[in-house]
Amino acid sequence: GESVGLHLPTLSVQEGDNSIINCAYSNSASDYFIWYKQESGKGPQFIIDIRSNMDKRQGQRVTVLLNKTVKHLSLQIAATQPGDSAVYFCADYSGGSNYKLTFGKGTLLTVNP
Amino acid sequence: DGGITQSPKYLFRKEGQNVTLSCEQNLNHDAMYWYRQDPGQGLRLIYYSQIVNDFQKGDIAEGYSVSREKKESFPLTVTSAQKNPTAFYLCASSRQGTSGYTFGSGTRLTVV
Repeated sequence: GESVGLHLPTLSVQEGDNSIINCAYSNSASDYFIWYKQESGKGPQFIIDIRSNMDKRQGQRVTVLLNKTVKHLSLQIAATQPGDSAVYFCADYSGGSNYKLTFGKGTLLTVNP
Repeated sequence: DGGITQSPKYLFRKEGQNVTLSCEQNLNHDAMYWYRQDPGQGLRLIYYSQIVNDFQKGDIAEGYSVSREKKESFPLTVTSAQKNPTAFYLCASSRQGTSGYTFGSGTRLTVV
């Protein structure tokens, strides 16, 4: 993920629309990627993950796309609901003995009824 | 149910006092982490520990200290040397060999 410490980008959508949240990562050796959802005042929760040997993975109403050529990750949320309003973080992991994830800066998604 | 517990949820302290935030996990995870989150910002790594009795500094360790005497516990002390301690603190854990983190629900520290 990109360096943290900057103010969050925001995305505002209408209820029922599809949402696309983007994330760029910098480490070409990253082989595992995760999306987290953080609601206000709570800890981040796992949404979906993807390995570098895949370019797409689907969950319930969510799809993650991975483009290793341009080091880009996206999270698509279908039929966005008010309960989807939260901050979404991408994170990547480059393996090795250091089990640290690198987190992106996050995107604040607001769903308007 | 297995999980990771942070306490307290809210903490108020006077300026100049040290304060310790608790983090306990019963997931049998080897690695534990502390992050700081300021309003409208991302996660910044303070300290992490991959094994008992060992820990490493993260990106913003100054003014903080940790210990890892037990696998289940990774307390964070915010010392008086931390210039701007008011923030939301998140603890996380993970198994060795995997990288998905389980996060606690956070502690909101306010220094007055």
